[in-house]
Amino acid sequence: GENVEQHPSTLSVQEGDSAVIKCTYSDSASNYFPWYKQELGKGPQLIIDIRSNVGEKKDQRIAVTLNKTAKHFSLHITETQPEDSAVYFCAANIGGGGNKLTFGTGTQLKVEL
Amino acid sequence: GAVVSQHPSRVICKSGTSVKIECRSLDFQATTMFWYRQFPKQSLMLMATSNEGSKATYEQGVEKDKFLINHASLTLSTLTVTSAHPEDSSFYICSVMWGGSGTEAFFGQGTRLTVV
Repeated sequence: GENVEQHPSTLSVQEGDSAVIKCTYSDSASNYFPWYKQELGKGPQLIIDIRSNVGEKKDQRIAVTLNKTAKHFSLHITETQPEDSAVYFCAANIGGGGNKLTFGTGTQLKVEL
Repeated sequence: GAVVSQHPSRVICKSGTSVKIECRSLDFQATTMFWYRQFPKQSLMLMATSNEGSKATYEQGVEKDKFLINHASLTLSTLTVTSAHPEDSSFYICSVMWGGSGTEAFFGQGTRLTVV
């Protein structure tokens, strides 16, 4: 089936540094790519998303880039803060116009003081 | 975005009993809701698509007779884990699709099920 690969599985950065998480997808029809932040014991929270008609989207310290040709997209967090520490999941919709999401395996981000 | 509420947030039950988890869309009428399962330190795995007024669609490998889904109204879907066993212990999360294109998914806070 269609899948989404995510790297790295763990990422440790110093406060103030940038963090980058990368995902690749296999379904060429996918056109919606959200990113979720999940804190321990809570449900995932949508933090940013991008659609296939744009290559980059930014929201304050968070940005997402998309390379449709290579089928990969990345999450960029700048000026990281301790409260950014969480598990981040990328996802892609299956079948293009479909609303089912396939999730990546997750990245445990730790921002150290 | 949509506000989704799950209840209970955590539940402990004895092996062999059934447990019902509720998912409510508080500010949006959701014709479709999704149920996910998440094991510790793992990703979210889609279990089934809950359709208002019709039968749920289950993903391959998910037992529909064990995980009963009812979507009786536009704001409520329920997941019942029947004859629960310790291996059913997991984090169950629901989501609703929102937005003009219907692709933005918003999640509930999840339900931690422990079967003893």
